[in-house]
Amino acid sequence: DGGITQSPKYLFRKEGQNVTLSCEQNLNHDAMYWYRQDPGQGLRLIYYSQIVNDFQKGDIAEGYSVSREKKESFPLTVTSAQKNPTAFYLCASSRAGEQFFGPGTRLTVL
Amino acid sequence: AQSVTQLDSQVPVFEEAPVELRCNYSSSVSVYLFWYVQYPNQGLQLLLKYLSGSTLVKGINGFEAEFNKSQTSFHLRKPSVHISDTAEYFCAVTGRGGSYIPTFGRGTSLIVHP
Repeated sequence: DGGITQSPKYLFRKEGQNVTLSCEQNLNHDAMYWYRQDPGQGLRLIYYSQIVNDFQKGDIAEGYSVSREKKESFPLTVTSAQKNPTAFYLCASSRAGEQFFGPGTRLTVL
Repeated sequence: AQSVTQLDSQVPVFEEAPVELRCNYSSSVSVYLFWYVQYPNQGLQLLLKYLSGSTLVKGINGFEAEFNKSQTSFHLRKPSVHISDTAEYFCAVTGRGGSYIPTFGRGTSLIVHP
């Protein structure tokens, strides 16, 4: 079945450590996105990529970094510069405006 | 620029009652409109979408929505809800053509009571 996979589902890290969240898709979509979700705040766009080897900052990119070396993969690194990294992270791909979401990764920084 | 307003953060309703979740948008260009549903600790999944044509759109699980261009609204309705409809619902808009970067509303929590 085609879809978006994110791993791991739950992730715990100590404060000050960088952590990388995985996102893979087999839908052959060009565009991919990373969102952060906090209670009551909806989805906030972190980064997006519309083509391999190119990506753009979203609304809340500070403290995050991404790469897009392959069409299928769009990993997100949460760096130690992100002041409040504990959140639910969602990856998505899209075609003609419709978004296809992964199951999410819940990151807890202790 | 575009924006989405979901007018209710929480909607409680009894099982088998009708429900309407409201969504208003603003955009300087023509838009595509979407409703997504999110169950606890899961990703979002598409309920329905309006791209063009008939303004009444039917989706999964018995939901439907009506696009009203003059009122810039895209309200979601279901004539009879079930306990399993308890979830978070998000309205989203993208501009037609171009980069398709979506804007999401803050979500409406639908709580169905027995």
